Amino acid sequence: AQSVAQPEDQVNVAEGNPLTVKCTYSVSGNPYLFWYVQYPNRGLQFLLKYITGDNLVKGSYGFEAEFNKSQTSFHLKKPSALVSDSALYFCAVRDPYSGGGADGLTFGKGTHLIIQP
Amino acid sequence: DAGITQSPRHKVTETGTPVTLRCHQTENHRYMYWYRQDPGHGLRLIHYSYGVKDTDKGEVSDGYSVSRSKTEDFLLTLESATSSQTSVYFCAISDGDRSYNEQFFGPGTRLTVL
Repeated sequence: AQSVAQPEDQVNVAEGNPLTVKCTYSVSGNPYLFWYVQYPNRGLQFLLKYITGDNLVKGSYGFEAEFNKSQTSFHLKKPSALVSDSALYFCAVRDPYSGGGADGLTFGKGTHLIIQP
Repeated sequence: DAGITQSPRHKVTETGTPVTLRCHQTENHRYMYWYRQDPGHGLRLIHYSYGVKDTDKGEVSDGYSVSRSKTEDFLLTLESATSSQTSVYFCAISDGDRSYNEQFFGPGTRLTVL
């Protein structure tokens, strides 16, 4: 079975500082990994994904994520945080040996990112 | 929200009543999903569809049923709502049949069961 852990319920960062939101995963093979962001009273928005290849993945709004196979991690990062980055962030995983695109993603519980002015 | 609408956006109902939530997409994507979002649980898959009239159960399917008679519509039904089904429900869509395809989410329906 696949699973995702986001160890921090909340991360506080000062505006202009770098930010990291942590994610670790467990799957039987090489994973497909995703990050989503949710603003208040909105649906989830796709940020980026890792399929294969370069361990550093770049996505929307200046975010990037680093895949680390040995540590089974996929941490979300941004070099300089903005107040507007404050939101709820979800990491998700899919086992590539699952039934194609039919079954859903497995999500972490989410991390509240708060950027302080 | 990627051509996905959900209706209603908010609903308050009483225990024991039937409730149907609708997801409508204009993207002609093959795959559609229903998730529920609860504090401390993230999103959990209820049911999904891989084509018209083709559906299957997800992680938390008990108490829910779905139907998909057209590509663009995916209905979620609570036959007899319970307070434990108070949640925010999200529909998602995905194109193609690859596990690495991302899903796109609708705006959500907030359901309160009294």
